[in-house]
Parts: sequence; C-alpha cells; structure tokens
Amino acid sequence: QKEVEQNSGPLSVPEGAIASLNCTYSDRGSQSFFWYRQYSGKSPELIMSIYSNGDKEDGRFTAQLNKASQYVSLLIRDSQPSDSATYLCAVNNAGNMLTFGGGTRLMVKP
Amino acid sequence: DTEVTQTPKHLVMGMTNKKSLKCEQHMGHRAMYWYKQKAKKPPELMFVYSYEKLSINESVPSRFSPECPNSSLLNLHLHALQPEDSALYLCASSQDPPGGAGEKLFFGSGTQLSVL
Repeated sequence: QKEVEQNSGPLSVPEGAIASLNCTYSDRGSQSFFWYRQYSGKSPELIMSIYSNGDKEDGRFTAQLNKASQYVSLLIRDSQPSDSATYLCAVNNAGNMLTFGGGTRLMVKP
Repeated sequence: DTEVTQTPKHLVMGMTNKKSLKCEQHMGHRAMYWYKQKAKKPPELMFVYSYEKLSINESVPSRFSPECPNSSLLNLHLHALQPEDSALYLCASSQDPPGGAGEKLFFGSGTQLSVL
C-alpha cells in the first residue's frame, strides 16, 4: 500500500520564525510532490509543487525533495499568524492517483 | 477564469431525500474529481472523470451517483444517504488525467453536507 506520512501536530512556532513541515512516502516510484494548505472549513489550496531533487523557492515558501530518502519538506520563512492552517502533502506515481498525507496542523503564535 | 465553482456551499438533507451537488470549471481541464473529507482527515477520492468518462470509482456506495454532462460540469447525485455520509464534499479538476504531466489538482470551495 502506498503511504504518505506526516506528523499531525500541532506544530507551534512564534511569528517570524521558520516553520518546517515534513513528509515521508513509501513508494520509490513517486514522481510528483505537492503541498496544499487548508484553512479550517475551507478547501485545499495548492501552494507548491516539486518534481526533482533539491530546493524550490516561491516567496516565503521552499519545498525540498530528497528522493533517495523518500522525503519532502516545506519551509515557511517569516511565519505569520495567517499561515496557521493544516498543510497536506500529496504524492503521485505515474499512472496513479494522488495520495494525501494526514496533514500537519501549523499554529503561528503572535 | 481559474476557479472551480461548487454549489451549494451547505446542504442539510434527510435520509429519504434526493439532492445533487454541482461543480463547474472553465479552465479547459480534462479531468474532474469528487473527494469526500471528514473533519481532521485528508480528502478521500470517490470518483474521477477523464475526458467526460468515468475512469475511477473508488468502491463508492451506489447511493452516490456521479454524472458528467459535459467537459465543464460535474454532478454528484445523492439518494438515501446515511448520517455517516455527513462530510465536506470537494470537487477538483486537473489539466490532464491522473498520471499526466498536468496533474495538479485545483479544488472547489466544497459543499458541507449534513445528513439528518
């Protein structure tokens, strides 16, 4: 069974700090990796996608992928209270559906 | 237009009612999806339509019936639901069907369904 694992949290960080969210996956054939942000009672919103090893930066967000370790992470710099949400990691194999992790709840405290 | 639009936003129904959820996208996406999400859980895939044809049914009970009238519209017909079916129902679309390069999912705002 293909699995995507995340620590459910909550991960609590002070405003202005770096939040580090981690995700591991079991299927070595995985090729596409996504981070979604979901506010309570709202739908998931795609914030980052990454396909190759290394870092990908977009504003305050950096996605990091290490296929050898089967590990993908999301760094949020200068965390703001508005970043408080659940972050879902999603992983896809060619030909297969997205598999979502259980999500990590992030709390940014003023 | 980069939105996936879902209606209604909230729905309360009895176990004997028949209702429908609607979803619309005008991004030219070729795949559309229904997901079910319970509180504090990740989205669970229900159905996938690729090029207007049902391509994936994740063993969903027959009281849920999907329909894709055209490439922009997706419906979910509900009949004889149970209280445990209460959840957030999410529609999503992607440029390409699963496994394709354009597989990023764009979600609608969801329908919060309560079954009494």
